[in-house]
Amino acid sequence: GAGVSQTPSNKVTEKGKYVELRCDPISGHTALYWYRQSLGQGPEFLIYFQGTGAADDSGLPNDRFFAVRPEGSVSTLKIQRTERGDSAVYLCASSRTGVGNEQFFGPGTRLTVL
Amino acid sequence: QKEVEQNSGPLSVPEGAIASLNCTYSDRGSQSFFWYRQYSGKSPELIMFIYSNGDKEDGRFTAQLNKASQYVSLLIRDSQPSDSATYLCAGQTGFQKLVFGTGTRLLVSP
Repeated sequence: GAGVSQTPSNKVTEKGKYVELRCDPISGHTALYWYRQSLGQGPEFLIYFQGTGAADDSGLPNDRFFAVRPEGSVSTLKIQRTERGDSAVYLCASSRTGVGNEQFFGPGTRLTVL
Repeated sequence: QKEVEQNSGPLSVPEGAIASLNCTYSDRGSQSFFWYRQYSGKSPELIMFIYSNGDKEDGRFTAQLNKASQYVSLLIRDSQPSDSATYLCAGQTGFQKLVFGTGTRLLVSP
């Protein structure tokens, strides 16, 4: 079956602009996660959805970051007033709820803020 | 102290050898552990997960977990040049977020 998909694959924007990153999880996966990965680092947790609700948003760095999942499937990560420090690869993962709870990652969106 | 620690490497092994990748964690509440492989410029790919003490084998890969020592390892038997990548260890509490180490770069030479 299809894996996790993310669009766009690359996004270049200017400092201060607004961006939206989209994630389409594996069909039937109720849990969806956003991570951010900087060069030479492991992925860093941002937010976790169980269904439509954000079960844990403790990783969002500040109030410029917001994510939604209105119908319990596709999710959008929104970044307002982008800063150069927001440049990173944004990864989305999905999983079924259950023992082990393997998370499968999408290809990521590389965000560059000039 | 980071929650999940890995040696950044690189770990260099010859083709056909056993590669041993190690990870320690500080959160005793972590219940499950995951190993991901990440090729340069690509996203993490799940190799294995383990949540019980002991060994778990899958093909050329063996994951080992020692909760008393807070230690996780991944053994790759008969290493191939195509195994050259960064290996990420992650711990998880419940069904929630993964906490990743910085990864160990593995180089397998022909």
